[in-house]
Amino acid sequence: AQTVTQSQPEMSVQEAETVTLSCTYDTSENNYYLFWYKQPPSRQMILVIRQEAYKQQNATENRFSVNFQKAAKSFSLKISDSQLGDTAMYFCAFMKRSGNTGKLIFGQGTTLQVKP
Amino acid sequence: EAQVTQNPRYLITVTGKKLTVTCSQNMNHEYMSWYRQDPGLGLRQIYYSMNVEVTDKGDVPEGYKVSRKEKRNFPLILESPSPNQTSLYFCASSFGWHQNTEAFFGQGTRLTVV
Repeated sequence: AQTVTQSQPEMSVQEAETVTLSCTYDTSENNYYLFWYKQPPSRQMILVIRQEAYKQQNATENRFSVNFQKAAKSFSLKISDSQLGDTAMYFCAFMKRSGNTGKLIFGQGTTLQVKP
Repeated sequence: EAQVTQNPRYLITVTGKKLTVTCSQNMNHEYMSWYRQDPGLGLRQIYYSMNVEVTDKGDVPEGYKVSRKEKRNFPLILESPSPNQTSLYFCASSFGWHQNTEAFFGQGTRLTVV
């Protein structure tokens, strides 16, 4: 069975600074996807970034980038130039590729507060 | 606009009174799922469906039912709600494994059972 662990329940960062959210996972699968979702106070789940395990290059989306370490089963999210609108809960999630049923396995979440 | 629509967004009910949370998607997605979100536990899958008339249990299916009579709709049924089903519920949809795997989520339903 796969598990996803986010060990930082809460974090804070000053506006315009950089913050890194941690995520580790456990799986015996070789092909899979990893995601970071953002959940602002509106509760909407918003996809921030996606990484395919067979790709060695780390994914980037504007101010958001990941550090994907497949051997270490680590998938951290770096937010550069933090903005007040980045205040939200962030979830790391795993989806296997083989026999995919659309199931996402989520971590516990990290609440990020961006301070002015 | 591509979207997943859940209703209602908020619901307060009493123990034992049957309720249904509706979910509809307009993207022709094959896969649909229900999740519940609880503090410190993240989101956990309740049930999923890979196509019309094909449903299966997720990780926390006890006390829930689903149906998939049409591709676009995937209602969640609580036949006899109990207080431990107080939670935030999300419906999600995506294409099958051979296509884009991005999951789209509904707006969430905050359910309180008293």
